[in-house]
Amino acid sequence: AQSVAQPEDQVNVAEGNPLTVKCTYSVSGNPYLFWYVQYPNRGLQFLLKYITGDNLVKGSYGFEAEFNKSQTSFHLKKPSALVSDSALYFCAVRDRSGGSYIPTFGRGTSLIVHP
Amino acid sequence: NAGVTQTPKFQVLKTGQSMTLQCAQDMNHEYMSWYRQDPGMGLRLIHYSVGAGITDQGEVPNGYNVSRSTTEDFPLRLLSAAPSQTSVYFCATLAGGGTYNEQFFGPGTRLTVL
Repeated sequence: AQSVAQPEDQVNVAEGNPLTVKCTYSVSGNPYLFWYVQYPNRGLQFLLKYITGDNLVKGSYGFEAEFNKSQTSFHLKKPSALVSDSALYFCAVRDRSGGSYIPTFGRGTSLIVHP
Repeated sequence: NAGVTQTPKFQVLKTGQSMTLQCAQDMNHEYMSWYRQDPGMGLRLIHYSVGAGITDQGEVPNGYNVSRSTTEDFPLRLLSAAPSQTSVYFCATLAGGGTYNEQFFGPGTRLTVL
């Protein structure tokens, strides 16, 4: 079975400060990991993914995520937050050894960037 | 390319009514899926399809029906709407060539059941 946890319902950060949105996962084998963003009244948009190799993955809009196998985590980060980054962020995991191509999503974390 | 399209954008139903949520894609992706999004619950998988003629149940399939007669279309049918089905519904596609591919989501359908 595969599962993902986003321990924070909401993250507040001031504009210009670094931000982190946390994600931990559980899979039987090795994971594929994804981050998506959802702006108000829109569908989800892909941000970045970890497949293999370098543990630091860079994605769209200046976001990056760090894969940590020992801590089973894949936290989303950005060095300097913008007000326009305010949105709902979803982490997703897929077990590489699993039969289904469909990933499992976390419950989402609302990021609020204050001016 | 339009990507993933969903119709209608909004719908209000009365309890017991039936309706079909439409999803279409023009990317020739093999995999399609339906999710519902509820506050505090994240995205929950309803049904999915790995190709034309093949469908399977997800986490919350009760009260919903799907079929996949073509690669392009994956409609979701509510057989007898209930207030518990009030939600935002998203259709998503996935290219099947690589198991690590990301999904593409439609804009969603906001459904209210009275």
